[in-house]
Amino acid sequence: DAGVTQSPTHLIKTRGQHVTLRCSPISGHKSVSWYQQVLGQGPQFIFQYYEKEERGRGNFPDRFSARQFPNYSSELNVNALLLGDSALYLCASSLLTGDYNEQFFGPGTRLTVL
Amino acid sequence: RKEVEQDPGPFNVPEGATVAFNCTYSNSASQSFFWYRQDCRKEPKLLMSVYSSGNEDGRFTAQLNRASQYISLLIRDSKLSDSATYLCVVNGGRGSTLGRLYFGRGTQLTVWP
Repeated sequence: DAGVTQSPTHLIKTRGQHVTLRCSPISGHKSVSWYQQVLGQGPQFIFQYYEKEERGRGNFPDRFSARQFPNYSSELNVNALLLGDSALYLCASSLLTGDYNEQFFGPGTRLTVL
Repeated sequence: RKEVEQDPGPFNVPEGATVAFNCTYSNSASQSFFWYRQDCRKEPKLLMSVYSSGNEDGRFTAQLNRASQYISLLIRDSKLSDSATYLCVVNGGRGSTLGRLYFGRGTQLTVWP
């Protein structure tokens, strides 16, 4: 079975641009979460979606937005990019939402903002 | 205060050594606890869940102390392949933080021959 897939794997943007990152969850999984991992730090929660509805949002500015599609895939959008947005963006899928559902991570998209 | 505090290391140990990692968490409502392993420039992967009674998986033993809000991971007989960053992870607990994971900054382990 395919795991969580993310695209693109790497991306280079300049300040002020916007970016769209994509994630396909494991087949049958209905929940997708997004995390940002800055170099030297642990991943930080950005969003969680379940059945196309936002179920949680971390402490990130409104420049960050996301959505989930009927096929449970998801997009993360970041507008007006800043140098500090350079990070590994991880998508995690789980069968359901809630604390006892293991989250499986995709390989991530490495974003560099110049 | 961060949700999860973890000693970043690095820990450099010889093969065969025993090494212990610790972390503390601040949210007493957290219900699930994990150790994830992350190899360089890769995604985190679940190493093991942590239960109040303590649990063991081969050379790895995890302990949870809810009263002290303290989690530990013990690795016995270290292998070269254990070299990685170990992330202490807790869930958000009830309410609006349900289902989200909080990560420590990770502890870097290098096992040398």
